[in-house]
Amino acid sequence: DIQMTQSPASLSASLGETVTIECLASEDIYSNLAWYQQKPGKSPQLLIYYANSLNDGVPSRFSGSGSGTQYSLKINSLQSEDVSIYFCQQNYDSPWTFGGGTKLELK
Amino acid sequence: QVQLQQSGTELVKPASSVKISCKASGYTFTSNYMHWIRQQPGNGLEWIGWIYPGNGNTKYNQKFDGKATLTADKSSSTAYMQLSSLTSEDSAVYFCAREGELGAFDYWGQGVMVTVSS
Repeated sequence: DIQMTQSPASLSASLGETVTIECLASEDIYSNLAWYQQKPGKSPQLLIYYANSLNDGVPSRFSGSGSGTQYSLKINSLQSEDVSIYFCQQNYDSPWTFGGGTKLELK
Repeated sequence: QVQLQQSGTELVKPASSVKISCKASGYTFTSNYMHWIRQQPGNGLEWIGWIYPGNGNTKYNQKFDGKATLTADKSSSTAYMQLSSLTSEDSAVYFCAREGELGAFDYWGQGVMVTVSS
């Protein structure tokens, strides 16, 4: 199975700040990487697919980058509604696997 | 608009089975893979498997082989997951999710909480 290592596990940032979350795959996943946002008690919502494509309706302050085994999610100008848990997921090979999540809080 | 409406909360006894549903609307049900994902309390996300409603083909995470059975009813645009031989370890929230662009899960159901307790 492809292991997805996400960092940091938790993150505290101020409004307006830029934050970056990293995801490392145990092997090359050829950009088959998605990012999701999950708010408490809700289902995950797709933010980014294929490493850097913004899903419809997602604010442009979210962006994804990376290739090979290393990927990142950047949130520019942090807003209060961005407080959530963020997960990466590889969909290159079965079984699809997720990172352990990053809990983003406001400082 | 695409919607995935899942069935309600389940409280079930150990060693029993449960079948949860995911009713799709707003798109052609038979054209997209439907995935199932588990989220245990305080834990991350685990992929269980997928079904392609167009032909009924399935693929499972080896970890859930024998535990989960995926089916789909084209006439009602509903996907189902049956979980068998339940233990407390199966207590979790179970999501269905549609596979969209390039393999990502673009729409999710609201989740079903399954609690296994005597």
